[in-house]
Amino acid sequence: NAGVTQTPKFRVLKTGQSMTLLCAQDMNHEYMYWYRQDPGMGLRLIHYSVGEGTTAKGEVPDGYNVSRLKKQNFLLGLESAAPSQTSVYFCASRLDRVIQETQYFGPGTRLLVL
Amino acid sequence: QKEVEQDPGPLSVPEGAIVSLNCTYSNSAFQYFMWYRQYSRKGPELLMYTYSSGNKEDGRFTAQVDKSSKYISLFIRDSQPSDSATYLCAMSGYDMRFGAGTRLTVKP
Repeated sequence: NAGVTQTPKFRVLKTGQSMTLLCAQDMNHEYMYWYRQDPGMGLRLIHYSVGEGTTAKGEVPDGYNVSRLKKQNFLLGLESAAPSQTSVYFCASRLDRVIQETQYFGPGTRLLVL
Repeated sequence: QKEVEQDPGPLSVPEGAIVSLNCTYSNSAFQYFMWYRQYSRKGPELLMYTYSSGNKEDGRFTAQVDKSSKYISLFIRDSQPSDSATYLCAMSGYDMRFGAGTRLTVKP
C-alpha cells in the first residue's frame, strides 16, 4: 500500500514549456486534490475532483488544467509554464468529504520555472 | 486580509518544553479545525482534528478551538527533537483553508 505517490519529484522548466504532474493513489479514495505551497502563503487549492471523470476549480486554478480519467490517477497540466508557477505541488486524496476524513498527502513535486 | 493567519516563526525550544502554536481566522463558516505536521521535504500529515469549539487531547498533543474568538491552538507537552517540523493549521466549512505554517525546532 503506497498511499499517494507523485511523479516527478523535481523538474526544471523553461518559460513557455509544458508538463504534466502525475498523482496516483491506491486507497480507492473518491476525492483528489492538487495544491501548491509557497513560502508565507500556505497550501492553496488549485483543482480538485470528487470522482472519476469530474474536476472542479479551486482557489488558484489559472494556468493549470486537470484530468481524472481513472479513479486512482489525477493529472495536473501546465500548458505554458511561467516563473510564477515555481512552487512545490502536493496532491492529496480523501475518502469521503461529508464525514470530513483526513486528507492524505503525497511527497510533493518541486517545480522550478526559469 | 488572509482568512487564516498563522505566525510563521521560527520557534525554537529546548527538549521537554511546552509548545504553543496558534492560528486566528476570519470566516465564521469554518466548522472543522485541523493541525497538520510537515517534515522537511515531505507532504503534510494530519495530527488532529476537532469539530466546533472545545478541547481534544491525543497523547502529548492538545488541540483547542475557541469559535467565539476565532482562535485555535495546538499544545505539545514534553516536546521532543522528533517534533521538529512545520505545523500547519487548517480549517474547513464549505472550503478548506490552510495557515502558512509555523516552523518549530526542538533542541536536545
